[in-house]
Amino acid sequence: DQQVKQNSPSLSVQEGRISILNCDYTNSMFDYFLWYKKYPAEGPTFLISISSIKDKNEDGRFTVFLNKSAKHLSLHIVPSQPGDSAVYFCAASGGSVKGGKLIFGQGTELSVKP
Amino acid sequence: EAGVVQSPRYKIIEKKQPVAFWCNPISGHNTLYWYRQNLGQGPELLIRYENEEAVDDSQLPKDRFSAERLKGVDSTLKIQPAELGDSAVYLCASSFGRANTGELFFGEGSRLTVL
Repeated sequence: DQQVKQNSPSLSVQEGRISILNCDYTNSMFDYFLWYKKYPAEGPTFLISISSIKDKNEDGRFTVFLNKSAKHLSLHIVPSQPGDSAVYFCAASGGSVKGGKLIFGQGTELSVKP
Repeated sequence: EAGVVQSPRYKIIEKKQPVAFWCNPISGHNTLYWYRQNLGQGPELLIRYENEEAVDDSQLPKDRFSAERLKGVDSTLKIQPAELGDSAVYLCASSFGRANTGELFFGEGSRLTVL
């Protein structure tokens, strides 16, 4: 039962353009969503998060949008840079998923071409 | 400030052999997590500690996996005996308090290959 899904295993964009990474979830009780970034041979690092009471959160070049009715969130990176090339995981928590347990999606590998 | 430290980084063993992974969390972080990441998948929680108490081990295969966090600081995760399907990256993470709305700090992971 995959509660958090990232249906695109990979994405390739040109430097300077927008990258849009998508994530869908099935548990309507999730109340907090996070994006993590992972470089090869390193652990995931926290990037940005959003509470279910909001529909947008922005941090520099990174913006996360939440559409609760569609159970969908997306991460926008503008402008994309080659250093953004990594695997991006969305994660969710809340409801019956209690006490700090994050449910991760499968990840999307972003490649930003110079 | 030092991050989450894990060892070994890489381990290759034959099936049925035992293996152990060690984790030192960020100083002051009372919550420690062990996640397993299979190839092409996201991390999945195995066990979560608050101080020295395992508060969520529902996903830990208890027939062969064990974990401990003595004194509420360092932790070890053991597999005995290892099976081919245990090949994965084992990630340790820590946080201050419950990370429902906060971030987890991950170590670099221990990559296990079972032959």
